[in-house]
Amino acid sequence: AQSVSQHNHHVILSEAASLELGCNYSYGGTVNLFWYVQYPGQHLQLLLKYFSGDPLVKGIKGFEAEFIKSKFSFNLRKPSVQWSDTAEYFCAVNAGDNAGNMLTFGGGTRLMVKP
Amino acid sequence: ETGVTQSPTHLIKTRGQQVTLRCSSQSGHNTVSWYQQALGQGPQFIFQYYREEENGRGNFPPRFSGLQFPNYSSELNVNALELDDSALYLCAAGAGGSDEQYFGPGTRLTVT
Repeated sequence: AQSVSQHNHHVILSEAASLELGCNYSYGGTVNLFWYVQYPGQHLQLLLKYFSGDPLVKGIKGFEAEFIKSKFSFNLRKPSVQWSDTAEYFCAVNAGDNAGNMLTFGGGTRLMVKP
Repeated sequence: ETGVTQSPTHLIKTRGQQVTLRCSSQSGHNTVSWYQQALGQGPQFIFQYYREEENGRGNFPPRFSGLQFPNYSSELNVNALELDDSALYLCAAGAGGSDEQYFGPGTRLTVT
């Protein structure tokens, strides 16, 4: 079974600071990787996803993530955060050979951006 | 907007009772998955339905059951409620064969 760990539970940054949120997964086979965001009072939204190809993927709102297979990592980055990025961020994994679309989520990182 | 709606928004039940949560998605969403998100944690997979058949199940007991209907709606039923069942229940819908799922806003269940 796969598992996902997110190293930082809470992160506080000032506007314009750079962001990197860590995500590591454990699974020996092919994986699909996702980052979801949950803004206060809103539903989970997909930020970006990696299935194959270029390990550096770009998502919405200036976010990007890099898949490093040797490190089983898929860290989320943004060069300059804004107050509106305040939200909870979830890394998720779907085993590539899974018959369905079961997602295994990490525990989440709550980001607060101070204006 | 994801095209996925859930009802009710909030619900309070007593331990031992039964509850039915509902989800509705749009045409083309052949799969529906249900997740439980306890406070301060990430969502945990309960089960998935594909074309009205259960297509995968997480580590949840049989008192968690579901149904999927031809009109792209779905139900999650929980029997014999326990205090630990208090959580946000999320429905996610997607097209069969696609790995992108669209989440609804969730139903917050409180068991007292």
